[in-house]
Amino acid sequence: DVKVTQSSRYLVKRTGEKVFLECVQDMDHENMFWYRQDPGLGLRLIYFSYDVKMKEKGDIPEGYSVSREKKERFSLILESASTNQTSMYLCASSWAGRRGDTQYFGPGTRLTVL
Amino acid sequence: SQQGEEDPQALSIQEGENATMNCSYKTSINNLQWYRQNSGRGLVHLILIRSNEREKHSGRLRVTLDTSKKSSSLLITASRAADTASYFCATDGGYQKVTFGTGTKLQVIP
Repeated sequence: DVKVTQSSRYLVKRTGEKVFLECVQDMDHENMFWYRQDPGLGLRLIYFSYDVKMKEKGDIPEGYSVSREKKERFSLILESASTNQTSMYLCASSWAGRRGDTQYFGPGTRLTVL
Repeated sequence: SQQGEEDPQALSIQEGENATMNCSYKTSINNLQWYRQNSGRGLVHLILIRSNEREKHSGRLRVTLDTSKKSSSLLITASRAADTASYFCATDGGYQKVTFGTGTKLQVIP
């Protein structure tokens, strides 16, 4: 079974702090994704990566950066957290090579920025 | 950019009844997927249907795809309380990506 883990289920941070969200997958997937989920807005893609050290902006990259130094690990960084970044953050991974292939999700991190 | 829109936004049924939710999308697709999300958790993949398929079954799930109408439906037969969750459709949104809709929240009352 594919396993995608996220470093924290719940996280509380203060405005202006630097926040790291970590995601690890154990299936050797090439693609990894970060989404945020807000009520009424569904899932919105922040960034994705199709290979080590490669990244592409999604629909809402402002205020975020990412790092992929190893194939199994994809980190989302909030350089200076703000209250409007309070949200549920979901990481996912998938095989490469086919359009829109099945994504495997982690359990999510609920981030609150005070 | 949002491709899929689910309908209805919320649905409440009795255990044992069938639940039908619909997804409409705007541009041509290679495939469409349905996912389930239990409250406060990650999404779980349910089924993928390709653009050249019209219907697909998996256990109590039946998915149809009508590319001429740009729509899909998910039918859950003989629903159970454990089916209570949000259901999302997702369309291939460009190379390697998918685009999710806003979801249908299903409540199955025991």
